[in-house]
Amino acid sequence: AQSVTQLDSQVPVFEEAPVELRCNYSSSVSVYLFWYVQYPNQGLQLLLKYLSGSTLVKGINGFEAEFNKSQTSFHLRKPSVHISDTAEYFCAVSYAGGSQGNLIFGKGTKLSVKP
Amino acid sequence: NAGVTQTPKFQVLKTGQSMTLQCAQDMNHEYMSWYRQDPGMGLRLIHYSVGAGITDQGEVPNGYNVSRSTTEDFPLRLLSAAPSQTSVYFCASSIQWGASKAFFGQGTRLTVV
Repeated sequence: AQSVTQLDSQVPVFEEAPVELRCNYSSSVSVYLFWYVQYPNQGLQLLLKYLSGSTLVKGINGFEAEFNKSQTSFHLRKPSVHISDTAEYFCAVSYAGGSQGNLIFGKGTKLSVKP
Repeated sequence: NAGVTQTPKFQVLKTGQSMTLQCAQDMNHEYMSWYRQDPGMGLRLIHYSVGAGITDQGEVPNGYNVSRSTTEDFPLRLLSAAPSQTSVYFCASSIQWGASKAFFGQGTRLTVV
């Protein structure tokens, strides 16, 4: 079965510092990869997604992620974070094809940006 | 645009009571799903539907029922609420199963006492 591992449950960082949130997935078949963000007391919003093509994906709010097939990773990065980036971030994966198209989520990483 | 609308936003139930969480979308999406979110667990899929009249179980379906009589609506029914069902519930919809962006509702915070 597919699984998604987010290696850090919490990441504290100072404002304007770079950040990387790590995500690894288990599937060996072709997958679609997503990062979602959840602000307090809100639903999830899509940050970016990888379907095919270039392995470097740019999303909203200055975030980007790199798909690495050999390492089965899809780490999220931002070169300079803001206080407003404080939120919980979820990595998710779904199969590319076949009968299983549901999103499988990681357990989330809480990013806390301090002034 | 309304997007995905969940009602109610908050609910407190007594053990054994039943209730229905409502979810409606106005984007003509075929695919809809229900997740529950618990601290440290991420989002876990309860049930999903790939179109009107078609539903299937996800990872944690026990204690929940769904039906999909129209494209727009996908209600989640708790038959006999238990404290273990205390959680935040999210409904989501998307155009395409698997590859497309999922739109999430604002969530329903359910407490079972």
